[in-house]
Amino acid sequence: AQSVTQLDSHVSVSEGTPVLLRCNYSSSYSPSLFWYVQHPNKGLQLLLKYTSAATLVKGINGFEAEFKKSETSFHLTKPSAHMSDAAEYFCVVSDPASSNTGKLIFGQGTTLQVKP
Amino acid sequence: GEEVAQTPKHLVRGEGQKAKLYCAPIKGHSYVFWYQQVLKNEFKFLISFQNENVFDETGMPKERFSAKCLPNSPCSLEIQATKLEDSAVYFCASSQSRLGDYGYTFGSGTRLTVV
Repeated sequence: AQSVTQLDSHVSVSEGTPVLLRCNYSSSYSPSLFWYVQHPNKGLQLLLKYTSAATLVKGINGFEAEFKKSETSFHLTKPSAHMSDAAEYFCVVSDPASSNTGKLIFGQGTTLQVKP
Repeated sequence: GEEVAQTPKHLVRGEGQKAKLYCAPIKGHSYVFWYQQVLKNEFKFLISFQNENVFDETGMPKERFSAKCLPNSPCSLEIQATKLEDSAVYFCASSQSRLGDYGYTFGSGTRLTVV
């Protein structure tokens, strides 16, 4: 069965320093992977997606993620954190091999705190 | 830009009352999905539609939950006889393709509080 594990429940960085949010998945060889951000009391906003094209994916607001099949990872990075990046981040997988209906599996979420 | 519109934003119901939530997908998106966020970090899939047809309802508690997507109307999720455990944020998402090749766009959610 497919699953998603976000390795850190909470990450704290200083403004201007790099961000790394880690995600590992268990899936078939060709999953679709997404990162979504949720600000307090708001909906989910798509940051970026991997759907079997380039393994390095660039998203909005300076975020990017690299799909590494050998490590079954899809870590999210940003070179320089901004105060407005403080939010909850979800790694999400859609695996056509086990769920041909487009059902998404969500990671447990990582709370990103950005300190001044 | 285009967005998935969910109404109402907040809904308070007494235990046993009915709750009805609405979702207008992005025009041109054939697929609609409903998710329930019970705790901050727990999302549960409920049901998906391809146009007005149910595609996958494996997540629906069928005895009290029902959903529809009718032509030229917002999709709806209805809970008969709400229970305290139904308190959650309900998200609707729409997409152009079933497998998310173009991503899934989520609405801002409806927060249901059952008291």
